[in-house]
Amino acid sequence: AQSVTQPDIHITVSEGASLELRCNYSYGATPYLFWYVQSPGQGLQLLLKYFSGDTLVQGIKGFEAEFKRSQSSFNLRKPSVHWSDAAEYFCAVGDYNTDKLIFGTGTRLQVFP
Amino acid sequence: ETGVTQSPTHLIKTRGQQVTLRCSSQSGHNTVSWYQQALGQGPQFIFQYYREEENGRGNFPPRFSGLQFPNYSSELNVNALELDDSALYLCASSLASTSVAGANVLTFGAGSRLTVL
Repeated sequence: AQSVTQPDIHITVSEGASLELRCNYSYGATPYLFWYVQSPGQGLQLLLKYFSGDTLVQGIKGFEAEFKRSQSSFNLRKPSVHWSDAAEYFCAVGDYNTDKLIFGTGTRLQVFP
Repeated sequence: ETGVTQSPTHLIKTRGQQVTLRCSSQSGHNTVSWYQQALGQGPQFIFQYYREEENGRGNFPPRFSGLQFPNYSSELNVNALELDDSALYLCASSLASTSVAGANVLTFGAGSRLTVL
């Protein structure tokens, strides 16, 4: 069955530090992978997506993610975190036939000044 | 270009009641999906509508139903509300493409937060 695992429920980093949020997926075919961010009281905003090609994808707000097929992972990274990055981050895999997204349970990022 | 708008933003209902949530798609989009996000969880797919017909459904009972209108706006209806229906309901629109199935990017609204007492 298709699934997404985000092992870290809550991560705290200092402003300016680097960040890596983990995501592992289970999917039978080549996955379509997404990272979304959700600020309090807001909907989901797409950070980046992977469909095919270059396994390192760039997104908005300075985020990037790397697809590693051998590890079934799609980890999100940012070299220097800003206080405004504090939010909930969701990894998702796209279903090939229906555009349905299967989300992980999210990682809450807290940023200290 | 307008985004996805949802109404109402917040509402409170009691068990057994019925609720209707509304969604206006982003301009140019023809597909609408609904997701339920319980507190502390990731969004769960409810169903998707394309050309005014249901096009895929998640693991939700029949008391969850929907409509899509000719202008691509949509409604989510939930009958016989239960306490566990308390959640943020997210609407997302996209433009169906035949080029790469499953590659369509969803644009989400801010959601409707439903509390069932």
